[in-house]
Amino acid sequence: QVQLVESGGGVVQPGRSLRLSCAASGFTFSTYSMYWVRQAPGRGLECVAVISYDGSEKYYADSVRGRFTISRDNSNYTLYLQMNSLRAEDTALYYCARDQGDGYNQIDYWGQGTLVTVSS
Amino acid sequence: DVVMTQSPLSLPVTPGQPAAISCRSSQSLVHSDGNTYLNWFHQRPGQSPRRLIYKVSNRDSRAPDRFSGSGSGTDFTLKISRVEAEDVGVYYCMQGARWPPTFGQGTKVEIK
Repeated sequence: QVQLVESGGGVVQPGRSLRLSCAASGFTFSTYSMYWVRQAPGRGLECVAVISYDGSEKYYADSVRGRFTISRDNSNYTLYLQMNSLRAEDTALYYCARDQGDGYNQIDYWGQGTLVTVSS
Repeated sequence: DVVMTQSPLSLPVTPGQPAAISCRSSQSLVHSDGNTYLNWFHQRPGQSPRRLIYKVSNRDSRAPDRFSGSGSGTDFTLKISRVEAEDVGVYYCMQGARWPPTFGQGTKVEIK
């Protein structure tokens, strides 16, 4: 079955960097677009980045563009999110999610999330 | 960005009774490919979201058949035919017609 397991979260000071990873299994990773979606404590959901199946196309939310970079290693079934210049408002649970692959922006599976806390 | 507005934000429900959640978008969710990209997710406390409905009315294979979706253009509805105790949690609509995908604020469903 489809499994997405995030890691790399933690407590980091403002201005520092962090890299999140998402290990995928149970499907052919190289044929699906993937997302990072975050959920701030007690708040709703925000899609921060998406990457196409082959890594050739990437899109970012305005709130993270220029600071975050999404990438993938299809040979190792892993999705990444490099987060630089972190701010307090980046504090959230970060989910890795899969696109259904039929149409546009249709998330069908989510991981359990990894918590990022930006605090001095 | 497309703004998604859900109502109500809180919904007390009685087991066995029907329930409905509304979602409105600030722009039409009809994509140039002719499809309407509106999804519904359910998030139980302490868990990640799970998809219920995609493209307005298509039920995810993992979702119980008491869930149904309807609507068009900018107005959409999620219905639960008979609420069960396991349906508690927060429900989100999400549009995928335009980047970035955006979510509604969530509707918290609680058992009366």
